[in-house]
Amino acid sequence: KAGVTQTPRYLIKTRGQQVTLSCSPISGHRSVSWYQQTPGQGLQFLFEYFSETQRNKGNFPGRFSGRQFSNSRSEMNVSTLELGDSALYLCASSLGGAGVIGYTFGSGTRLTVV
Amino acid sequence: TQLLEQSPQFLSIQEGENLTVYCNSSSVFSSLQWYRQEPGEGPVLLVTVVTGGEVKKLKRLTFQFGDARKDSSLHITAAQPGDTGLYLCAGVNNDMRFGAGTRLTVKP
Repeated sequence: KAGVTQTPRYLIKTRGQQVTLSCSPISGHRSVSWYQQTPGQGLQFLFEYFSETQRNKGNFPGRFSGRQFSNSRSEMNVSTLELGDSALYLCASSLGGAGVIGYTFGSGTRLTVV
Repeated sequence: TQLLEQSPQFLSIQEGENLTVYCNSSSVFSSLQWYRQEPGEGPVLLVTVVTGGEVKKLKRLTFQFGDARKDSSLHITAAQPGDTGLYLCAGVNNDMRFGAGTRLTVKP
């Protein structure tokens, strides 16, 4: 079966712009989580969506938002980009949450803010 | 401050050596997972441990969950160059939080 698909793979944006990243989970998976990965901070939890509702949220400013559609596809949006937002953004899907089965991750979107 | 502390941060060893990676926290988790990540890719799940004191083996990899469900270790026997990568532990409660990772390099 197809894995988790994230688009685009690479993105370069200018400070102050906004960006939208997309994630298509594995078919049948209803939970989608987003993580930001940087060399200094590692993987930081952004938020989790389940059946179109945000279920959990990490400690990121309101510039970071997300949503999930009825087909479980998810998008995350970052407004007013800052240089520090440069990172690998990873999406992970699961049937119902991390639980015992764990997450399947996409290959990520590498965002560079200049 | 990381919820989960992993040590060591970096490890460079020769093929055939053994190694242990540690994952510690002051929090109790319902389960703990280990992932391996290679450059340019997302993390891939290796194992989930659920019960305090649980030991799981995956070929040359041995995973242990602490009795109090706050810590875990990953032991690799006779490491091979293919084991090279970033090893991440993740604690699960309502959501999943990761440690900073251990970057392992195995030289031929």
